[in-house]
Amino acid sequence: TQLLEQSPQFLSIQEGENLTVYCNSSSVFSSLQWYRQEPGEGPVLLVTVVTGGEVKKLKRLTFQFGDARKDSSLHITAAQTGDTGLYLCAGRGYQKVTFGTGTKLQVIP
Amino acid sequence: ETGVTQTPRHLVMGMTNKKSLKCEQHLGHNAMYWYKQSAKKPLELMFVYNFKEQTENNSVPSRFSPECPNSSHLFLHLHTLQPEDSALYLCASSALAGSTDTQYFGPGTRLTVL
Repeated sequence: TQLLEQSPQFLSIQEGENLTVYCNSSSVFSSLQWYRQEPGEGPVLLVTVVTGGEVKKLKRLTFQFGDARKDSSLHITAAQTGDTGLYLCAGRGYQKVTFGTGTKLQVIP
Repeated sequence: ETGVTQTPRHLVMGMTNKKSLKCEQHLGHNAMYWYKQSAKKPLELMFVYNFKEQTENNSVPSRFSPECPNSSHLFLHLHTLQPEDSALYLCASSALAGSTDTQYFGPGTRLTVL
């Protein structure tokens, strides 16, 4: 069974602070995706990383795929209240998607 | 209307009730999914349909009965549920199942079983 552990589970920070969320597994994935889910809504795809070591930037968000394609990180610079939500990573393997345990982020004004 | 829609958004039902959740996708996709999202647990895949045919059932209890009349519509029929079935039920679609295609999620139905 493939498992994706995210850390931390909960994070409450002040607006303007930086943070990093981790997604770890003992399994190798062909690609990894990050979603953000706001209260009362479904998850929305933020990014897909495919190559080991790949780094992608989306405005203040930086996503990295581990060299061995077993882990990933999401770094947010100068967090804003609009970043509040549940962040989910999802590892894609052969004909299967495994979702992570989730990180609930609260950004306080 | 665009994307993936789900109705109702909220549902409260007793353990002896029968209700149905509806999902509709306007993306021209051929695969549809039902997920269960409970507090403190990862998203759990329940069912997968590809071209209207069920291709995956992840040991879901028979009190949950899916139906996919066409590639755009997906239903989840509920009967004699338990309080532990209370959760957010998410529908998703993708171009094809069993591929690396991105899944697009609906807003979910928040289900409470009394």
